[in-house]
Amino acid sequence: NAGVTQTPKFRVLKTGQSMTLLCAQDMNHEYMYWYRQDPGMGLRLIHYSVGEGTTAKGEVPDGYNVSRLKKQNFLLGLESAAPSQTSVYFCASSSTRYGYTFGSGTRLTVV
Amino acid sequence: AQKITQTQPGMFVQEKEAVTLDCTYDTSDQSYGLFWYKQPSSGEMIFLIYQGSYDEQNATEGRYSLNFQKARKSANLVISASQLGDSAMYFCAMREFQRGGSNYKLTFGKGTLLTVNP
Repeated sequence: NAGVTQTPKFRVLKTGQSMTLLCAQDMNHEYMYWYRQDPGMGLRLIHYSVGEGTTAKGEVPDGYNVSRLKKQNFLLGLESAAPSQTSVYFCASSSTRYGYTFGSGTRLTVV
Repeated sequence: AQKITQTQPGMFVQEKEAVTLDCTYDTSDQSYGLFWYKQPSSGEMIFLIYQGSYDEQNATEGRYSLNFQKARKSANLVISASQLGDSAMYFCAMREFQRGGSNYKLTFGKGTLLTVNP
């Protein structure tokens, strides 16, 4: 099925460890986004990309890095995980119209 | 200042009744889009309805309608004939169109947790 695929779905990290979350879309969308969802906070934009090879900071970018080497993939990296990064992470992509497609989320716990 | 305000952290409704979830927004742009998403306990984000700022009529999608009052900057979601399966978190979101046509930065409210009682 066409859509946005996030891997992994669950992960537990120790403080200071690093990891990369992968987002892949097969809809040829130009725009891709990483959000985090925390209780009572809604979804907040971490980083986004408006095309292959481009990235930009969102509302809460500190502690994260991203890369978009291929149009269909958008990677979110945590270089040194902290307990404050315990969250549910959503990737999304969109076209030039109004359709946003979200992945199923990654639940990350940092202990 | 928040761009999207959802003032109801939680709402309760009886099955088969209608319910309105409030959303107000703040933007200085003339061109923008408003979205409602549903997030059930399983966690996925489900798109419900969209309203463009230049759309003259209120958007409707099945049992969902968007009560768009541009002058008041409100975009309330109305769910008619509530069902038990409507119990979920509901998010209002806004996309502001940037110069040049780039569309990004979908900004979310904090959400309203709707519980449908039998």
